Amino acid sequence: GAVVSQHPSWVICKSGTSVKIECRSLDFQATTMFWYRQFPKQSLMLMATSNEGSKATYEQGVEKDKFLINHASLTLSTLTVTSAHPEDSSFYICSAREWGGNSPLHFGNGTRLTVT
Amino acid sequence: EDQVTQSPEALRLQEGESSSLNCSYTVSGLRGLFWYRQDPGKGPEFLFTLYSAGEEKEKERLKATLTKKESFLHITAPKPEDSATYLCAVQAGALEGGADGLTFGKGTHLIIQP
Repeated sequence: GAVVSQHPSWVICKSGTSVKIECRSLDFQATTMFWYRQFPKQSLMLMATSNEGSKATYEQGVEKDKFLINHASLTLSTLTVTSAHPEDSSFYICSAREWGGNSPLHFGNGTRLTVT
Repeated sequence: EDQVTQSPEALRLQEGESSSLNCSYTVSGLRGLFWYRQDPGKGPEFLFTLYSAGEEKEKERLKATLTKKESFLHITAPKPEDSATYLCAVQAGALEGGADGLTFGKGTHLIIQP
C-alpha cells in the first residue's frame, strides 16, 4: 500500500527558531499533499494544501508567513515553522493520495513539535 | 460548513463485548466517508472508504456502514489490540482531482479490557 514517510518524528526547539518537517511519498507520486495539525484530544485540523510546482493553499486562520510550505518534487513536501513560539507546539501530520478523486488519504506518522 | 460529530467520545469494553461507534455528518455533497484508526503518537491508519448510502465494508472484526446522515463502525468480539482512537472523516464538495483534504471528527477513544 501507499506509504508516507515523515521526518523527524519529534523535535524540540527554542522559541524564535525555525523548524523544518519533511514529508515524502515513498512508493507513489503525489502532486498534492496535505498538512494537518492535531492538539491533544482534538481532531485533525487541515492547515494547508501543498501543490507540486505552485503555491500552497492555506486554510482560513493559518498564517502563510509562519508556516512555509514547499513542494519541490512529486515525492517531497516540507513544512517550515518559522520563528516558533510555545503555542506552535503540536502534532503535525502530512498526508497524500496515491490516486486522485475520492481515494483515501494516507498519513505519515506525524511530528511532535515542542517549542520551549 | 461541513460538520462531523462522533460519539461516544470514549468507550470502554470488555474483551469480546461487541459495540458500535457513531459518526454523524452534515455536508454539502458527500463524495466519500473515511474511517481511520489512530494509535497514540502515530498518524491515522486508513481502514475504510464508503461512498454511498447502503454501502458496507468489512475487515476482520470491523464493519462500517453508511446512511445519508451517519456512519457506524461496528466492532465484533473486540480484542485488546483493537484499543485505539477511531476517526471518521468526510470529503465533500464539487472539487475534482483529489486536491482537497478531509474534514475529521474528534474521534472515539476505544479501550478494550482483557
